[in-house]
Amino acid sequence: ETGVTQTPRHLVMGMTNKKSLKCEQHLGHNAMYWYKQSAKKPLELMFVYSLEERVENNSVPSRFSPECPNSSHLFLHLHTLQPEDSALYLCASSQEAVNEKLFFGSGTQLSVL
Amino acid sequence: QKEVEQNSGPLSVPEGAIASLNCTYSDRGSQSFFWYRQYSGKSPELIMSIYSNGDKEDGRFTAQLNKASQYVSLLIRDSQPSDSATYLCAVNEAGRRALTFGSGTRLQVQP
Repeated sequence: ETGVTQTPRHLVMGMTNKKSLKCEQHLGHNAMYWYKQSAKKPLELMFVYSLEERVENNSVPSRFSPECPNSSHLFLHLHTLQPEDSALYLCASSQEAVNEKLFFGSGTQLSVL
Repeated sequence: QKEVEQNSGPLSVPEGAIASLNCTYSDRGSQSFFWYRQYSGKSPELIMSIYSNGDKEDGRFTAQLNKASQYVSLLIRDSQPSDSATYLCAVNEAGRRALTFGSGTRLQVQP
């Protein structure tokens, strides 16, 4: 256990559905991240939050909407997704958002039909 | 575009051998370097970090950094079948608030 918990582990959704991914960290960290991992491609940074403030948005389509209500919780709201959005979505946390070592959750394997 | 490059592999080594994994990066301003291990179907886990030129050893793992050549490597001594996984190189980049990852090298340790 890394201290970062993600739910659900697996998600199948249609292109018209709305769903949310949840992440919770129990490490007392101040920064949280969403990464996308597709087959044969590097991990792609999506969003960075530091002390609940979004500090980096990596040109992610608006159909992905992050929310960070406090430093322990992070959500990724999904709507009107495309099949190419199917991937493993990883949440991570670190002590500070200054390129420190990341601790990853187990990920959500998302399939968009 | 700033990049982190790794050979995708697979790198196949016999049990007990030394596995050598390599990574190059393009941003000369990078200061922090990490190696993550990712088993199939699992999330990445940190195994080594290195911040200054030279070698850093931790058990069977040695990380090597050469900033002049923009090169970082990971050596795994006495490789075990349980080391079979994808190894991700991650680098900070100046001005970024998160790490940039390579595509990973898949390592296969043959019993």
